[in-house]
Amino acid sequence: IAGITQAPTSQILAAGRRMTLRCTQDMRHNAMYWYRQDLGLGLRLIHYSNTAGTTGKGEVPDGYSVSRANTDDFPLTLASAVPSQTSVYFCASSHRGSYGYTFGSGTRLTVV
Amino acid sequence: GIQVEQSPPDLILQEGANSTLRCNFSDSVNNLQWFHQNPWGQLINLFYIPSGTKQNGRLSATTVATERYSLLYISSSQTTDSGVYFCAVEPDMNRDDKIIFGKGTRLHILP
Repeated sequence: IAGITQAPTSQILAAGRRMTLRCTQDMRHNAMYWYRQDLGLGLRLIHYSNTAGTTGKGEVPDGYSVSRANTDDFPLTLASAVPSQTSVYFCASSHRGSYGYTFGSGTRLTVV
Repeated sequence: GIQVEQSPPDLILQEGANSTLRCNFSDSVNNLQWFHQNPWGQLINLFYIPSGTKQNGRLSATTVATERYSLLYISSSQTTDSGVYFCAVEPDMNRDDKIIFGKGTRLHILP
């Protein structure tokens, strides 16, 4: 692994199903983030974590949950998917005071 | 909250042309980043530039924090420069390193 790995790359999900998007980084960054990207709306922050064991809500947290059990992993869970959660999801990480964000390659999720 | 405005929203140029992309922000910031999202969706960090000027090959960026704007210059454009360019800022009072994105400038370089 070099950087941030997201899985799956894409997924089609039936409405009402539970889904966890995975994100793993190997840079020992203390902060991690989940964004969703929708046409015309840019990137919007869902949840974030400043350090292992802590999480916080972003701009659009409803319907999503996260956990940060260790430094490397930051999974995003949709408890009961709805079509409005169809989007491209990006995970990112940063180390406070350093050189900016590193993004994963994204997960394209379609809820039908 | 802080507002981040990027202009122009769309730009179509011939290969070899130069371009200037602008990012205005409404409040003081701790840092500012420029990203390029290529046509395959990958987001690449171009510059971390809270103030001053930086250059990387054909790209350079200038941030004037006191006047609340940043400029991204692309010289001698190539088709691989196509994509969306995002500006993202960390508000000055933000203790969480969260950054706010502008809506981007979509650049299309014609061969």
